[in-house]
Amino acid sequence: ETGVTQSPTHLIKTRGQQVTLRCSSQSGHNTVSWYQQALGQGPQFIFQYYREEENGRGNFPPRFSGLQFPNYSSELNVNALELDDSALYLCASSPALQETQYFGPGTRLLVL
Amino acid sequence: DQQVKQNSPSLSVQEGRISILNCDYTNSMFDYFLWYKKYPAEGPTFLISISSIKDKNEDGRFTVFLNKSAKHLSLHIVPSQPGDSAVYFCAASAGNYGGSQGNLIFGKGTKLSVKP
Repeated sequence: ETGVTQSPTHLIKTRGQQVTLRCSSQSGHNTVSWYQQALGQGPQFIFQYYREEENGRGNFPPRFSGLQFPNYSSELNVNALELDDSALYLCASSPALQETQYFGPGTRLLVL
Repeated sequence: DQQVKQNSPSLSVQEGRISILNCDYTNSMFDYFLWYKKYPAEGPTFLISISSIKDKNEDGRFTVFLNKSAKHLSLHIVPSQPGDSAVYFCAASAGNYGGSQGNLIFGKGTKLSVKP
């Protein structure tokens, strides 16, 4: 059974650009959540998808958007990148809502 | 305003001794608590959890205690091993028994160093 995988591992973008991060959920998991972890902080909830529908959102602006596909893989899109978007982006999958979330290794994004 | 607080940024313990990591929360709606361990360049790894209907949960060397009246939980690791050296995050969620998004609120983490 493969765990949660994310791509790419590292990414450098410039301010104003757009970025897409990808996540492949653990087999059999239909729920995926995305988190942003700034340096020295704990992960902060961005949003959650359940069966391809957004199921909750944290305090992030609309330029953060997501998708979940029928195979339960997921994307996080960030438009109009700002310097403060530099962080580790983590996705976590769970077998169902309110089940334990299992994290991927993250994508480290640097915005210059 | 931080709803989940880990007030000790770091903790150093001798191998074989007990490690106690603490976490405080402010939101009385939280009903499910988790501990995650994170090594550098890896994502957080689930360690142990506890629901608000319990006050203790044990899994091998790891025990989590929950004191709801004090809004405090702690993770005990006995005996501590050098491989336990990592950053430990406390996380909480609300509505697990009522059905909600189940998003996790994390503390800032405590870096545990276990010395041989």
